[in-house]
Parts: sequence; structure tokens; C-alpha cells
Amino acid sequence: AQRVTQPEKLLSVFKGAPVELKCNYSYSGSPELFWYVQYSRQRLQLLLRHISRESIKGFTADLNKGETSFHLKKPFAQEEDSAMYYCALRMDSSYKLIFGSGTRLLVRP
Amino acid sequence: GAVVSQHPSWVICKSGTSVKIECRSLDFQATTMFWYRQFPKQSLMLMATSNEGSKATYEQGVEKDKFLINHASLTLSTLTVTSAHPEDSSFYICSAKQGFQAYNEQFFGPGTRLTVL
Repeated sequence: AQRVTQPEKLLSVFKGAPVELKCNYSYSGSPELFWYVQYSRQRLQLLLRHISRESIKGFTADLNKGETSFHLKKPFAQEEDSAMYYCALRMDSSYKLIFGSGTRLLVRP
Repeated sequence: GAVVSQHPSWVICKSGTSVKIECRSLDFQATTMFWYRQFPKQSLMLMATSNEGSKATYEQGVEKDKFLINHASLTLSTLTVTSAHPEDSSFYICSAKQGFQAYNEQFFGPGTRLTVL
């Protein structure tokens, strides 16, 4: 069955430190991977998707099909990055998104 | 940008009553809307997918007679929790997708917190 795994419930770093939020997936087809972010008291919003190959707010994520991973990285964390981050997978030819359990990122001053 | 609203933002009801939650796309026509459920400190679980003018497609394990979904127009979908019980208490989130391509982005509503007493 398709599954998205985010092993860390909470990741706490100091401002300026590098950040890596882990995401692994299981799916035998061609997935599309996403990172969504939810800031405090705000709605879920798309941060980035692997097909765009963009860097958003300093975050990047590379799809590694060999390791079935899509880790989110940022070289220097900022306090405003503190939020809940969800990794999600969309199966090919499907509208459906499968979400991981989320990782709370806390960036301390 | 595309905005999705939900109403109400929170609701408290007595066990056995029915509750209707609305999801609206404010500045675009949503060909497809999705309803998710989120338990505290857990992920979003897709409940159903609804396309305008047709019956919703429910995920395995979701009772379609309990969670009635109506997608009467391209900007409105409703979720009715019938004969609600305390175990139905949860955070319900809708999302809406524009266009017919699977890769079109989903835009999420702010969620509705349902508490059943």
C-alpha cells in the first residue's frame, strides 16, 4: 500500500542551523512528491513540489527514487520557519494526496 | 491567489444531531473538492473526493451514509455529518482543485473543528 513516512514528530534547531526534515515513501509507480507547510493558526499551503525543482523560502527537496526519499532541507533555519511540515505523495494519474504524519519544526532564537 | 473558505470554523453539537459544513472556492471554479479529517497530532486522512454534479467517491472505511457530501456547484461542496457521535469529533478540512488535470494544485480551507457532546 502507498505510504508516506515522516519519522520525526518534532525537530528543534537553533536559528542559523541547517535543517533536514525527512520523508520516505512507498509506491511502486511514478509519484509526485510535495511538501506542505502549516504555520500557527493558518491553513495548509503548498511549499514545494518535486517537479518544480524550485527553492522556496530557502527550502529545497530532491526526489531520490533509489532511496524513495524526498527530504526537505534548508541551510540556515530562521525563526519564522517554525511550523508543521507535511510530506505528501500523489500517485500517477490520481488526484489523491497521501500525507505523512507531519513534523513540527521549532527554530529557537 | 486561490482561496478556499469553510463555514463554520467551529461547531459544537449534541450527540445524535446532524451538522453541515460548507466549503467554498471564492475566486475560482473547483472541478474537484476533497474532504479530509485530521485527528489531534495526526495527519490528514482523505475521506472523499467530490466532483461537481456527480456522486462523491469515498475512501475505504468511510461511511457514505454518515458523511453525506454534496457538490452542487463549481464553488460549493457540503459535508453533512449525520447522527453525530462523540467519536466524530475532529478537524475537518476541505480542499479544492481547479482544472481537470491531476497535477493541478489543491488549495486548502482553514478547517472546521467539530465537537460532539
